[in-house]
Amino acid sequence: DIQMTQSPSTLSASVGDRVTITCRASQSILRWLAWYQQKPGKAPTLLIYMASSLDSGVPSRFSGSGSGTEFTLTISSLQPDDSATYFCQQYNGYPITFGQGTRLEIK
Amino acid sequence: EVKLVESGGGLVKRGGSLRLSCEASGFTVRDAWMSWVRQSPGKGLEWVGQIKSTADSGTTDYAAPVKGRFSISRDASKNTLFLQMNNLKTEDTAVYYCTKTSGSFDYWGQGALVTVSS
Repeated sequence: DIQMTQSPSTLSASVGDRVTITCRASQSILRWLAWYQQKPGKAPTLLIYMASSLDSGVPSRFSGSGSGTEFTLTISSLQPDDSATYFCQQYNGYPITFGQGTRLEIK
Repeated sequence: EVKLVESGGGLVKRGGSLRLSCEASGFTVRDAWMSWVRQSPGKGLEWVGQIKSTADSGTTDYAAPVKGRFSISRDASKNTLFLQMNNLKTEDTAVYYCTKTSGSFDYWGQGALVTVSS
């Protein structure tokens, strides 16, 4: 199985900050990576697919980059509504696997 | 508008069975790849399995922990996806999400809680 490791596990930042979350794959997944946002009690929502493609309706302050084994999710200017847990997911091979999540708190 | 609504969750004893339903609207389930993803309380996300579109063979794939116990199917006439869960274990306790898949999980239902008691 392809292991996905996110860092950090928790993150605290202020409104307006630039925030970066990293996701590392245990083997190359090319660009078959997605990012999700999940708020408490809700289902995850897709933010980014194919490592860097923004899903429809997602604010442009979110961006993704990377290929192979290292990927990043960046929020260019943190907003209060961005408080959530973020997950990466690889779909290069089966079983499909997720990172353990990064909990983002607003100071 | 794509919408997915799960139902059928509940409390079941270890070794029991449960069937989850996922009613879809805004698209046709037979033409889509669909997956089930689960999330244990306070834990991360785990892919359970998928069914390919009819045009892509309609075959199913499952994660190792559920293979042989869980089965994914669909009823085109009801535009509904199902997850049949047999021989349930306490570690199957989770919120189960139905998703429309294109590799990434593009749309998610609200989730159905399955609790397996010992």
